[in-house]
Amino acid sequence: DAMVIQNPRYQVTQFGKPVTLSCSQTLNHNVMYWYQQKSSQAPKLLFHYYDKDFNNEADTPDNFQSRRPNTSFCFLDIRSPGLGDAAMYLCATSRDGGRQPQHFGDGTRLSIL
Amino acid sequence: GESVGLHLPTLSVQEGDNSIINCAYSNSASDYFIWYKQESGKGPQFIIDIRSNMDKRQGQRVTVLLNKTVKHLSLQIAATQPGDSAVYFCAENRSFQKLVFGTGTRLLVSP
Repeated sequence: DAMVIQNPRYQVTQFGKPVTLSCSQTLNHNVMYWYQQKSSQAPKLLFHYYDKDFNNEADTPDNFQSRRPNTSFCFLDIRSPGLGDAAMYLCATSRDGGRQPQHFGDGTRLSIL
Repeated sequence: GESVGLHLPTLSVQEGDNSIINCAYSNSASDYFIWYKQESGKGPQFIIDIRSNMDKRQGQRVTVLLNKTVKHLSLQIAATQPGDSAVYFCAENRSFQKLVFGTGTRLLVSP
């Protein structure tokens, strides 16, 4: 039944070692989002794709990048993770980004050693 | 800058009570609002939404009220149950494709 699936649920990486988080959706939605959520805070939007169009938030560090090879999949790449990047990363989708809810996956919790 | 925020960080209630979670927003141009529930270790789960042309919307045990005059949004949960314990976020659809989340309220339900 899961509609937005994130893998892995937990990821441990070393300081400075590139890491990729993945998200897939069965909803055939046009828009896919990546959020960062730190403990006891609200989700913070990093970027989103509308189809193949990439939209970066102004304050998203260059260290964070994304790929969307097809409608169903979207990846978050962290090129050189720092200790401050330890967080929950949430993927969400919406049909076309208008007045409708976003549907979230259960996130990947990233730890940095 | 403009923001979406909540008045109370933690709300403790007894099982069976009604709960009210509040949210203030400052962008008068926002026209769509959503409430999400987030349980520990999970992603936000959609509860209910409301468009700005409405004042009230009801779901199963939940009601959202929107007061555009004072830019205030509330979520009412009837007969609160232990399973309702979670963090609740309001979110504002401030522009096409983008949500801005409030700071969250933790709801604690004791038996």
